Amino acid sequence: EDQVTQSPEALRLQEGESSSLNCSYTVSGLRGLFWYRQDPGKGPEFLFTLYSAGEEKEKERLKATLTKKESFLHITAPKPEDSATYLCAVQGSITGNQFYFGTGTSLTVIP
Amino acid sequence: DAMVIQNPRYQVTQFGKPVTLSCSQTLNHNVMYWYQQKSSQAPKLLFHYYDKDFNNEADTPDNFQSRRPNTSFCFLDIRSPGLGDAAMYLCATSREEEVHEQYFGPGTRLTVT
Repeated sequence: EDQVTQSPEALRLQEGESSSLNCSYTVSGLRGLFWYRQDPGKGPEFLFTLYSAGEEKEKERLKATLTKKESFLHITAPKPEDSATYLCAVQGSITGNQFYFGTGTSLTVIP
Repeated sequence: DAMVIQNPRYQVTQFGKPVTLSCSQTLNHNVMYWYQQKSSQAPKLLFHYYDKDFNNEADTPDNFQSRRPNTSFCFLDIRSPGLGDAAMYLCATSREEEVHEQYFGPGTRLTVT
């Protein structure tokens, strides 16, 4: 069965303190891995899609990387406005268009 | 701006009283999804439409139904809401069923009293 595990569950960083969030996955035939940002009481906001091991994508202070078993979301010099829950989702070839989401990492950046 | 719109943003209903949530999109995407998200949990897919073709997830309760009268609109009907159905309901769209990112609306927070 396809599974997504995110760690840590919660992360508190000082402003400017870089760190990484982890998304470990088990999926039959990865078709895509997706990162989303979710602010409290709002819908997830799309950040990145990664398709194959070795691929990297960047957007402002965020960089997503992908291996055959996990993905990392690196946050460089975070600011308080980066505080949110970051969700990872995978799409596998057997499950068709079904997205399997992890439970997310709640990031708090302290000024 | 092209977007996914959900109405209402907050809905309060009574136990057992039918409720309908709506979603519209201006992205002209073929696929529309409904997710249920409870506090601190991952979004859970309830069903999706590829164009007019309806696809129900195996563990979606019969209490939940959906309609898609046209490309732009999709509705979630909860026939007899229970206390356990209180959650955030998220609508999402994607261009096709193949590997394409999903774009989410802001969600409807449902409270059952």
